[in-house]
Amino acid sequence: GAGVSQTPSNKVTEKGKYVELRCDPISGHTALYWYRQSLGQGPEFLIYFQGTGAADDSGLPNDRFFAVRPEGSVSTLKIQRTERGDSAVYLCASSLGPGGNEQFFGPGTRLTVL
Amino acid sequence: GQQVMQIPQYQHVQEGEDFTTYCNSSTTLSNIQWYKQRPGGHPVFLIQLVKSGEVKKQKRLTFQFGEAKKNSSLHITATQTTDVGTYFCAGPPWNNNDMRFGAGTRLTVKP
Repeated sequence: GAGVSQTPSNKVTEKGKYVELRCDPISGHTALYWYRQSLGQGPEFLIYFQGTGAADDSGLPNDRFFAVRPEGSVSTLKIQRTERGDSAVYLCASSLGPGGNEQFFGPGTRLTVL
Repeated sequence: GQQVMQIPQYQHVQEGEDFTTYCNSSTTLSNIQWYKQRPGGHPVFLIQLVKSGEVKKQKRLTFQFGEAKKNSSLHITATQTTDVGTYFCAGPPWNNNDMRFGAGTRLTVKP
């Protein structure tokens, strides 16, 4: 079966631009997580969806970051007015249920802000 | 907020030597999970521990969850070159569902 997919795999943008990153979770997985990983660091929690709703968005660094999951499946992470410090690999993971379940990670989107 | 810390940050061993990484959370965890990330790859789930004091084994890997559910360890016996990668612990605090990852321990193995 298909795993978690993320598009694009790489995104290069200029400072100040808007970007959207997409995540397709494993079918049937109700929980979806977004993380940001910088070189040499662990995944940094951004937001967690249970179904369509954002159950916990406490990890979003500021109001330039926003994520949606309108139909409880595909999710989009949106970043406005990108800054160089936003450059990182953005990882998406899905699981059957919340918190205590094994997470399946996608390959990530490498975002570079010039 | 909750913090998850791992030590050491790096570990370089000779093939055949043992390896241990330690994980400590500032808050009680409902469970602890361990992931392995190969260079250039994404984290892959290894195991989950739920009970206080739990010990689980996977071939040469032994995982422990502390009695207070705030710390954990991963021990690899007789490392092989295939063990190379970064090992992360992660866990949700007892009162919510978000996942906090440690910074990881990067293991390199010299043949």
